[in-house]
Amino acid sequence: SQQGEEDPQALSIQEGENATMNCSYKTSINNLQWYRQNSGRGLVHLILIRSNEREKHSGRLRVTLDTSKKSSSLLITASRAADTASYFCATDAFSGGSNYKLTFGKGTLLTVNP
Amino acid sequence: NAGVTQTPKFRVLKTGQSMTLLCAQDMNHEYMYWYRQDPGMGLRLIHYSVGEGTTAKGEVPDGYNVSRLKKQNFLLGLESAAPSQTSVYFCASSRGHGGANVLTFGAGSRLTVL
Repeated sequence: SQQGEEDPQALSIQEGENATMNCSYKTSINNLQWYRQNSGRGLVHLILIRSNEREKHSGRLRVTLDTSKKSSSLLITASRAADTASYFCATDAFSGGSNYKLTFGKGTLLTVNP
Repeated sequence: NAGVTQTPKFRVLKTGQSMTLLCAQDMNHEYMYWYRQDPGMGLRLIHYSVGEGTTAKGEVPDGYNVSRLKKQNFLLGLESAAPSQTSVYFCASSRGHGGANVLTFGAGSRLTVL
C-alpha cells in the first residue's frame, strides 16, 4: 500500500505562476523527500526534510512539513517550462528492528505552459 | 561521473523468455535497489541489497531474482517473463540505508513482455 499520496494527480499552469503540490502520508515518519522525474528519465532528488523541521528552501523550491496533519507541500515559485515533470514524495517507514522502507507516492504531473 | 547506469534501455521479450537487467554504479554506494514503475502505481520496490553479497525482498519480489556479486553491480533477473512484468525498471543506489539517505536513480529500462 502507498504511504505517501500526492495531490493533485495533475496540475497545469502558465509560466511564471507558482505551483503547489501536496503529499499526505499515513504513519509517522522520520524523513520525507521530494523527487522530480522528467518524461522518460529517472528520478532526481530535490529536497529532504526531517520530521523535526517545518520548512526548507532550495532555490525556487519551498517544502513544508506538518507532522500533526501528516502532510507535506512542495511549492515551486516562478515556474518555468523546464519544470514540467512528475513530482514524487517519498517517506520512510520502519517495519521493525532495522528494517526500513522508502515508499514513493504515485506522483503529481506538472505541466508548465510557455 | 556516470552515476547509475542501466542496460539495456529497451527490451522486448516473449512470454517465458528469460533476461537480466544490469545496474552499475560508480559512487561506491553500499545500498542498491530495483524498482518498477507502472502507470497509476508509482514506484514499487522489487529487491534491494545492503552490501556486496547480500540481497533482500522488497514489496513485489515474486517472479524476480537478484544478485550482488560485486559492490558496484546489481543484477535483476526474470527467469520466465510474464506480460504482467511489462514495466519500466529503475535501479537506484544510496550511500546509507534509511530515510535520510538520498537515492540516485538510473535512467530506466523499459521492458515489454508479449
